[in-house]
Parts: sequence; structure tokens; C-alpha cells
Amino acid sequence: DADVTQTPRNRITKTGKRIMLECSQTKGHDRMYWYRQDPGLGLRLIYYSFDVKDINKGEISDGYSVSRQAQAKFSLSLESAIPNQTALYFCATSPGFVYNEQFFGPGTRLTVL
Amino acid sequence: DAKTTQPTSMDCAEGRAANLPCNHSTISGNEYVYWYRQIHSQGPQYIIHGLKNNETNEMASLIITEDRKSSTLILPHATLRDTAVYYCIVRVIIQGAQKLVFGQGTRLTINP
Repeated sequence: DADVTQTPRNRITKTGKRIMLECSQTKGHDRMYWYRQDPGLGLRLIYYSFDVKDINKGEISDGYSVSRQAQAKFSLSLESAIPNQTALYFCATSPGFVYNEQFFGPGTRLTVL
Repeated sequence: DAKTTQPTSMDCAEGRAANLPCNHSTISGNEYVYWYRQIHSQGPQYIIHGLKNNETNEMASLIITEDRKSSTLILPHATLRDTAVYYCIVRVIIQGAQKLVFGQGTRLTINP
């Protein structure tokens, strides 16, 4: 089984709908991240969390919210989806140490019509 | 945050060494250089990282210039499975959090 899983893997929705993307990890890592990737571009950080009680905005948090329900679960919500939120979304985790790699999930492809 | 500059694309023959350059001329003393790769829209995969010394692991080698303004990722014996987008990232620590800033990367194609 994969260490970092994301659900759903693909989603098509309409403008104005509320959408939740879920991320689960079995690596036991404290830190979790949400990124988005637009075609031909690199990843941009949306939100990150040090632990259940610590959530921080990344560089493009407007229009998104997150919830860290447990150490293993980190959800990203789009309260009212808009077409320019169409993108590939990745969840990542890392250990509590500062200088460690991030482990990425397989991604969720979201299309907002 | 330090910005990185990479070539948009590169080609390499299978079995040869692939050398991917990266410029990070505004890097500061506490910023690490990380390399990740992304194979066809999969989640990025960590390759290697370094501060100022050259580093080697089972996947690649990282050569950082003495002034730290540029680095080169070396895949010693490239295979077709190494075809991917390679990201050179300068990571900064903000309030204890590591922040990876991804650029557009280099699309590396390994040719048979």
C-alpha cells in the first residue's frame, strides 16, 4: 500500500460547488503539505501543517481552507470552486526534522467547469 | 527566497551521464539546494540535497560550486526511466518550517 494516498484521484465539478480533497499517510510524519500544479509549471504551496494544532498558509492560500483531523489526515477544501482552481493537487509529508525530504502522494486532478 | 534558473529541456543518450545545471545566484548561507523529479504528472520524487559540500547517493550526485551560486545534478548512467522533469529547488527554513519553492524545471529526455 502507498504511504501517502489521496482521494479522489480525479474529480470534475461545477463552479460554486464545495469540494474536499483528502490526504492520508501511514508514514507517521508530523508535517503535511498541500500543493497545486498548473500545466507546464512547478508546484506551489497552498497550506502546510506542523502537527494537528499548527496550520499555516502557503503562497497561494486564497480560496482554500484545510483541516488536520489527525496526524495521518490532512484535508483541503475549496468552499466555492472556480475554474481557475482547475489543477493537479498534491499532498506531501515530511518527518518532524527540519532537513528532510518530502514524500508526495499520487495527486488529485481537479477540473472546475 | 532564492530563485533558481534551469534549462527548459535537455536530451541525453541512454547509458551516458546526464548533467543537469542549475543557477541559484541569490542563494543565502542557510539555504539548501534540493533536487526532485516528476515522472509524467506523478507526485514529485526526492533525489538529493546539499548545502555546500558535494553529495552522492544511490540515485545521483550533486556538485555545488564553491560560491554556491550554481549546482549540477549528475545521473551517472541514465536509463529510459530517468525521463522526467527535474526540479532544482532552494529551500529556506521559515520559523522551523521547510519551504520548497518549485520552478518550472528541466524536462530531461533519455533517448535509446
